[in-house]
Amino acid sequence: DAGVIQSPRHEVTEMGQEVTLRCKPISGHNSLFWYRQTMMRGLELLIYFNNNVPIDDSGMPEDRFSAKMPNASFSTLKIQPSEPRDSAVYFCASSLWTGANEKLFFGSGTQLSVL
Amino acid sequence: EDQVTQSPEALRLQEGESSSLNCSYTVSGLRGLFWYRQDPGKGPEFLFTLYSAGEEKEKERLKATLTKKESFLHITAPKPEDSATYLCAVSDGDKIIFGKGTRLHILP
Repeated sequence: DAGVIQSPRHEVTEMGQEVTLRCKPISGHNSLFWYRQTMMRGLELLIYFNNNVPIDDSGMPEDRFSAKMPNASFSTLKIQPSEPRDSAVYFCASSLWTGANEKLFFGSGTQLSVL
Repeated sequence: EDQVTQSPEALRLQEGESSSLNCSYTVSGLRGLFWYRQDPGKGPEFLFTLYSAGEEKEKERLKATLTKKESFLHITAPKPEDSATYLCAVSDGDKIIFGKGTRLHILP
C-alpha cells in the first residue's frame, strides 16, 4: 500500500488567495483526520470523518476553513481567503474504525506558507 | 475538555544515558493512549497503544507505561538514531488529541 498521500507537498501563496489541500487515505480505511501543526500549538485536530461523514469540526478555526470527503478515497481541506497566520504544516491521517479509532497513519504533510 | 500535556519540551541526552518522557492527560472515557515518533519533515509514525492502567509495551530501547493519569516513555541506553520528537495522544473512541511533544536529541 502506498500509504496516505497528500498533495501538494509545499504550497506558497499570497494572502487572500484560495488554497486547496488534498488527501488520499489508505484503501479500506474508514476514518480520516485533518490536523495542523505549528511550533506554538503543536498538532491540532481540525476535523475528522467517519465513513465520509464529518463527525466533529469544532477544531476548524473559522469559516474560512472547509473540508469535504466526497468519497472514501479522497478528501480536501480548503482555506478561502488565506491569511499569513494559516501558515503551518497540514497533515491528513487515516484509520480503520472498528468500534474506536486507534492507530493513525499519517501522510507526509503539506507545508503551507501564506505571504 | 480533553487535554494532553507532555514534559519536558526538549531533552538532550548523551548516548547510553537512559531517561523518561512524561505524558499527563485528562479525557472523558479513555479508549486508548498512543505514542508516536516524528522525524523532521515527516508525519508522525505509530509506536504503541496502551488501553488500561498498569499496561506496558516495549519496542527495542523504548518502553511505554500507563497509569490512570499519565504515561511514561522510558528510553534505555539511547542511540543517536533515537533522536526525534515523541508525541503522546489520547482517544475517547472517536477524536484523537495530541500533546505538543518532546524533542529528544541524543548526542554521540
